Amino acid sequence: GAGVSQSPRYKVAKRGQDVALRCDPISGHVSLFWYQQALGQGPEFLTYFQNEAQLDKSGLPSDRFFAERPEGSVSTLKIQRTQQEDSAVYLCASSLVRGQETQYFGPGTRLLVL
Amino acid sequence: QKEVEQNSGPLSVPEGAIASLNCTYSDRGSQSFFWYRQYSGKSPELIMFIYSNGDKEDGRFTAQLNKASQYVSLLIRDSQPSDSATYLCAVNGGGSYIPTFGRGTSLIVHP
Repeated sequence: GAGVSQSPRYKVAKRGQDVALRCDPISGHVSLFWYQQALGQGPEFLTYFQNEAQLDKSGLPSDRFFAERPEGSVSTLKIQRTQQEDSAVYLCASSLVRGQETQYFGPGTRLLVL
Repeated sequence: QKEVEQNSGPLSVPEGAIASLNCTYSDRGSQSFFWYRQYSGKSPELIMFIYSNGDKEDGRFTAQLNKASQYVSLLIRDSQPSDSATYLCAVNGGGSYIPTFGRGTSLIVHP
C-alpha cells in the first residue's frame, strides 16, 4: 500500500510568512509523529497524535508552531511568522497501533526561510 | 534530559568488511532500541529493532544490546557500497513511545 506522504516537498518562505505542512499517514495508522531534522543532526521530536488527540506537544519549539489532526488521519503542521532558525526538514512518521513503536517516515518537507 | 550519543564519523570501511556502529544512551529505563538508515536527502527507514539484551540477527545486520552498559550497536557484515548512508540510533524510554534519536553515524563503504 501507499506509504506516508508529505507536501509540499520543498518550501521557500520569506521571514515572517506563515507556512502549512501536510502529512498523509499510512491508512489505518493510529499514531502520528512530527519531527524536525536540522542538517547533520538526528530527528528531533515535535509532537505526537493518537487518532485526533494531540497527546504530546512538548517538542514544539515555540508558540509559533501548531499542529492538528482533526479527523484522525491527515495532519497539518503550521508555523507562524517563520524565522530563519525554522529552516530544516520536517518529517512525519506514523505507526499502526497505540504503543507500537515501529515508525514509518514520510519523505519530509524541506523548509528554507530567507 | 535523555541523551543518545553516536560518533558522527565518517566511518570508512572497505567493501566486504564488517562495519561496526555504536550508540550509548543515558536513560537507564530505556526499553526499545532502533536502528534507522538514512540516505542523503531521504527519510529514515527502519533496519532493526531490539528489546532484549544480547544479539539479534537479520541477514547481514546484527543488533547488539547491553543494558547494563547502556550500549547498543549495529554490525553490518559483507559491507556493500550501497550501505553507505547515515545510521541513526533511536531509543524509547520506559513507558514512552516517543523515541530520542542520536545524531547519526555516517558510513562510507569504498570499493
